[in-house]
Amino acid sequence: QSALTQPRSVSGSPGQSVTISCTGTSSDVGGYNYVSWYQQDPGKVPKLMIYDVSKRPSGVPDRFSGSKSGNTASLTISGLQAEDEADYYCCSYAGSYVVFGGGTKLTVL
Amino acid sequence: VQLLESGGGLVQPGGSLRLSCAASGFTFSTYAMSWVRQAPGKGLEWVSAISGGDDSTYYADSVKGRFTISRDNSKNTLYLQMNSLRAEDTAVYYCAKGTGGNYWRPIEPWGQGTLVTVSS
Repeated sequence: QSALTQPRSVSGSPGQSVTISCTGTSSDVGGYNYVSWYQQDPGKVPKLMIYDVSKRPSGVPDRFSGSKSGNTASLTISGLQAEDEADYYCCSYAGSYVVFGGGTKLTVL
Repeated sequence: VQLLESGGGLVQPGGSLRLSCAASGFTFSTYAMSWVRQAPGKGLEWVSAISGGDDSTYYADSVKGRFTISRDNSKNTLYLQMNSLRAEDTAVYYCAKGTGGNYWRPIEPWGQGTLVTVSS
């Protein structure tokens, strides 16, 4: 049960787009369309941003989008805003368990 | 929807602790529930989940055989019995509601968390 691989950090300027990758295996990310993404502000509780690879819960801005290719899922944030600065975690179903990525710190420059 | 965890605290290595999560605002028995933990300054780690409906249980390898998840649908309460605790189990433990009955469905919302510290 190895954690999914995410970059430790990414950064971008306001208005730009950033993409966070999440790499797993054919037993998790690549095997199912059940990848979700969570946003966690410092000291706060995680919040669901994307589920089933590319679906957005109500209330999540359409600046947030998800996709998947093979064993790698991606979260793209377009029109970056200061409030997007947070930690982001991917999560995938893996057949008999659930696995999170190590997390990515997004810095808005 | 409200999720209120309790039961965290300081425990010695090898000791036991039982976490509770009181749920309200939804039909508790029909939704999967999960425990996710976060060690200080670290990332999220899925710990365990229980399905809605048939109450099937699932565990991370790191806690299998030591932790037991259960639910009391008459009390709308989720539990996590933690035995043989180790220093590496030190974390904030979040209770979270699944968005469906299957344990692997996305989880939202999350409770505020309860801190478990394993230390002598």
